[in-house]
Amino acid sequence: KQEVTQIPAALSVPEGENLVLNCSFTDSAIYNLQWFRQDPGKGLTSLLLIQSSQREQTSGRLNASLDKSSGRSTLYIAASQPGDSATYLCAVSRGNTPLVFGKGTRLSVIA
Amino acid sequence: KAGVTQTPRYLIKTRGQQVTLSCSPISGHRSVSWYQQTPGQGLQFLFEYFSETQRNKGNFPGRFSGRQFSNSRSEMNVSTLELGDSALYLCASSFSASGANEQFFGPGTRLTVL
Repeated sequence: KQEVTQIPAALSVPEGENLVLNCSFTDSAIYNLQWFRQDPGKGLTSLLLIQSSQREQTSGRLNASLDKSSGRSTLYIAASQPGDSATYLCAVSRGNTPLVFGKGTRLSVIA
Repeated sequence: KAGVTQTPRYLIKTRGQQVTLSCSPISGHRSVSWYQQTPGQGLQFLFEYFSETQRNKGNFPGRFSGRQFSNSRSEMNVSTLELGDSALYLCASSFSASGANEQFFGPGTRLTVL
């Protein structure tokens, strides 16, 4: 059974700092991995999708990497801003199965 | 392009009642998945519908059911509500199989059971 873990559960950083969020999964036979952002009480916003054949994806100040063999992904946020404060979730899928989510990392960027 | 819409956004019900939630996917998307989110359990998969057929089902009791219409809109129903059903219910749409393509989520329906 696939399990997804995100560490740390919460993170507080000063504005402008570069930071890394971690995601690990137990079954490396994944089809893709997706990073989401969730603001309090709101739905999920898709940030990046990495197919299993890819090593990384970039969007603006965000860069996500994937190492299937070690069961790990990282989300790198450059030059953090207070508007980046949210919960970040990663989720994996085998392709014909639903997404399995981690419990998220709650990020606070302090001005 | 309009995003995923969910109605209603908020619901308050009492134990024993039933509730129906609605989800309209992004135009052209044929897969709709439903998730329950609670502080303790996180996001848990309920079921997925594709072309009006249930493709996958999570580990929830039979009180939770769903359906999908020919226009890809989906509804989920919860009968005999329990206090523990209080949660944020999220639906997501994707072009084809939920796990094969990028999923896009709606804003959710906040259900409170009193």
